[in-house]
Amino acid sequence: GAGVSQSPSNKVTEKGKDVELRCDPISGHTALYWYRQRLGQGLEFLIYFQGNSAPDKSGLPSDRFSAERTGESVSTLTIQRTQQEDSAVYLCASSPQVNTEAFFGQGTRLTVV
Amino acid sequence: AQKITQTQPGMFVQEKEAVTLDCTYDTSDQSYGLFWYKQPSSGEMIFLIYQGSYDEQNATEGRYSLNFQKARKSANLVISASQLGDSAMYFCAMRGGAGGTSYGKLTFGQGTILTVHP
Repeated sequence: GAGVSQSPSNKVTEKGKDVELRCDPISGHTALYWYRQRLGQGLEFLIYFQGNSAPDKSGLPSDRFSAERTGESVSTLTIQRTQQEDSAVYLCASSPQVNTEAFFGQGTRLTVV
Repeated sequence: AQKITQTQPGMFVQEKEAVTLDCTYDTSDQSYGLFWYKQPSSGEMIFLIYQGSYDEQNATEGRYSLNFQKARKSANLVISASQLGDSAMYFCAMRGGAGGTSYGKLTFGQGTILTVHP
């Protein structure tokens, strides 16, 4: 596709349920990033991938959060046993190389009720 | 570890005037990149400008310029001739370069909300 695609665009889930958020990066981009943005706040780093490996997972808030990337393409961010404080916009970005700008998707707005 | 600090939660500027948005950073890496992004109320993240740590000249892109002062570890964004459409949240970001402990990691500041008055 022409840009970074995230799905779903909106997700409402009940507390305690698991959710999967998907990111399709721009084809050929080796680096992929996940961020969380709460309302009116900055971007909180979660994890990034170089190819299929994740050199830095330090931003994952708890062991309920996990992410994987396959085929140096699609990435999935999974949140288990969702809590209300997980409500936020989850942004994905990709870049062709590590030393170039990152291109962002439109985000997935997650609401935990 | 790398850290980005934006000390101005909000800034106001009159249309057609210039405005400077502050950004300071902290890193132990020798090689790194600095970025500015704009986030309008629609939520999309728009890349504005990039400065490499070894670039001797300040980066410019149209009405945007980056005032890079390496010794002070600052990378302020200057917007000239402000327009109403410049009203948005602005984020400063840093990415660690090759050979560093934060290689590839892209870290953002908390952002500055810019409001342009007519």
